[in-house]
Amino acid sequence: QKEVEQNSGPLSVPEGAIASLNCTYSDRGSQSFFWYRQYSGKSPELIMSIYSNGDKEDGRFTAQLNKASQYVSLLIRDSQPSDSATYLCASGNSGSNYKLTFGKGTLLTVNP
Amino acid sequence: DAGVIQSPRHEVTEMGQEVTLRCKPISGHNSLFWYRQTMMRGLELLIYFNNNVPIDDSGMPEDRFSAKMPNASFSTLKIQPSEPRDSAVYFCASSLVWSVGRGLSYEQYFGPGTRLTVT
Repeated sequence: QKEVEQNSGPLSVPEGAIASLNCTYSDRGSQSFFWYRQYSGKSPELIMSIYSNGDKEDGRFTAQLNKASQYVSLLIRDSQPSDSATYLCASGNSGSNYKLTFGKGTLLTVNP
Repeated sequence: DAGVIQSPRHEVTEMGQEVTLRCKPISGHNSLFWYRQTMMRGLELLIYFNNNVPIDDSGMPEDRFSAKMPNASFSTLKIQPSEPRDSAVYFCASSLVWSVGRGLSYEQYFGPGTRLTVT
């Protein structure tokens, strides 16, 4: 069974610090990876997608992918209290008709 | 552009009643997904459609659940009869498959969800 594993947290960091969120996946055929942010009571919001090994930066967010280790991470620089949310990692395999497999999410709390 | 639209946003019903949840995907998207989210089980994929055709309904928990997509701009998820254990937030998401570099992108965008409570 294809799985995406995340530490449920909570991960607590002080304001201004770097928050590091990690994810591993079991399906070696996965080609696409996504990070979603979900505020309490809201729907998941796509914040990053990554398809190739290495780093991808977008503002304060950096996604990192290592396919050999089946590992994906999300770094949030200069963390703000508004970043406090649950972060969901997802993997996709085009051979599975483009459906995504989601982890259960990591709760991040940024303390002022 | 409008995002994914879902209705109703909240639904409270009694056990045994029929519940119909509605979704309008983002215009131009060719895939539609129905998810259910609970604290215990996280985000579960129930069923998804490509070009209005159901591809995989293995996540539908029981025969009480059914979904249709009569056209590219509308889908329904129906529960009949509803039970208290169906209480959850139901999300609809849509995506468009397109080429990016040497691969494919199929980012999913979620609607606001329907919070269902069955008493």
